[in-house]
Amino acid sequence: QKEVEQNSGPLSVPEGAIASLNCTYSDRGSQSFFWYRQYSGKSPELIMSIYSNGDKEDGRFTAQLNKASQYVSLLIRDSQPSDSATYLCAVLYNTDKLIFGTGTRLQVFP
Amino acid sequence: EAQVTQNPRYLITVTGKKLTVTCSQNMNHEYMSWYRQDPGLGLRQIYYSMNVEVTDKGDVPEGYKVSRKEKRNFPLILESPSPNQTSLYFCASTLAGGPSDTQYFGPGTRLTVL
Repeated sequence: QKEVEQNSGPLSVPEGAIASLNCTYSDRGSQSFFWYRQYSGKSPELIMSIYSNGDKEDGRFTAQLNKASQYVSLLIRDSQPSDSATYLCAVLYNTDKLIFGTGTRLQVFP
Repeated sequence: EAQVTQNPRYLITVTGKKLTVTCSQNMNHEYMSWYRQDPGLGLRQIYYSMNVEVTDKGDVPEGYKVSRKEKRNFPLILESPSPNQTSLYFCASTLAGGPSDTQYFGPGTRLTVL
């Protein structure tokens, strides 16, 4: 059974702080990893993808991948109240099956 | 505007009454997929289609049917809905032949089966 695990939260951080969201996955052979953001009542939207070990930065977002530990994380710097949402980790298995975690709810308070 | 549309957005029905949720994309995407989202279970794939006339089961296909007669449309059919199919449903599409590319999600269909 392919699994993607996330802490459901909520993760509460003050405005301006760094939010750290974590995800672990079960299949060591996975090669592609994604972070989607989902606002309440809305559909998911892709914010980051990462394929290689290490860090990938895009604006205030940094995705980190450690394949040896089967761990992927998302850092949000200078968190804003508008970042308050549920963040879904997704892992691609066998090139055609995308498995989502249950998501971590992030709350950024002023 | 590039988008994925779903209809209806909200539906309340009764057990056993056949229904279809439509999904259409205007981006000429090859790959389309249906997910259901339930509290505590996350997004789970129901069916997907790599291209016209090519469909395959996802993780939770029981009780659902799909068809892909045209590239832009991927309807989800519930032949005999049951209360355990009450859920939030999302259609998604990607340009390439699989979900490794950016998936664009429709707005969702909230289905209640009484």
